[in-house]
Amino acid sequence: QMQLVESGGGLVKPGGSLRLSCTASGFRFSDYYMSWVRQAPGKGLEWVSYISDTGYHIYYADSVKGRFTVSRDNAKNSLFLQMNSLGAEDTALYYCALQWGDSWGQGTLVTVSS
Amino acid sequence: VMTQAPLSLSVTPGQPASISCKPSQSLVYSDGRTYLFWYLQKPGQPPQLLIYEVSNRLSGVPDRFSGSGSGTNFTLKISRVEAEDVGVYYCMQSIGPVTFGQGTRLEIK
Repeated sequence: QMQLVESGGGLVKPGGSLRLSCTASGFRFSDYYMSWVRQAPGKGLEWVSYISDTGYHIYYADSVKGRFTVSRDNAKNSLFLQMNSLGAEDTALYYCALQWGDSWGQGTLVTVSS
Repeated sequence: VMTQAPLSLSVTPGQPASISCKPSQSLVYSDGRTYLFWYLQKPGQPPQLLIYEVSNRLSGVPDRFSGSGSGTNFTLKISRVEAEDVGVYYCMQSIGPVTFGQGTRLEIK
């Protein structure tokens, strides 16, 4: 069945960087848009970014534009999120999602703190 | 902006429940489709997609869940609430900036 597994989260200092990865299995990864969605502790959902099947179309939320970069490697069934200039407001559980949420990973926690 | 109401709901098992979602703009895209989605996030779990494009249930979603609406007024209905329906329900639109509603917490009486 469809499975998404995120990795790469952790504790980082303000201004630092992290690269999140999401490995997909159980479906033809190269055929689908993929998304990153985050959830700050105790808060609601925020769509961070999506990328089209070919990588040609990309969207970023205003809150991360210019700091985050989404990419994918279809040969490796992998989705990435490069996060730079991190601030406390980026502390959240980051989910990888298939298209508009047909399937979700369990999330990887990013904590930005000094 | 996506405005959900109510923000919390307490329902007796077997009774119906209804959640409203009012976007601040039309959600009809140039392809004629309306990109309004409903999700349920059960405690301690990632969200799960229930309804896509207003009224289409994802495969495996019980038929007690239904979505309806048009324009700037959309509704998720649960015909008979069960204990497993507890969690936070979100609407989401993907026209322009992708935005979620604030969430509606459903609990069982």
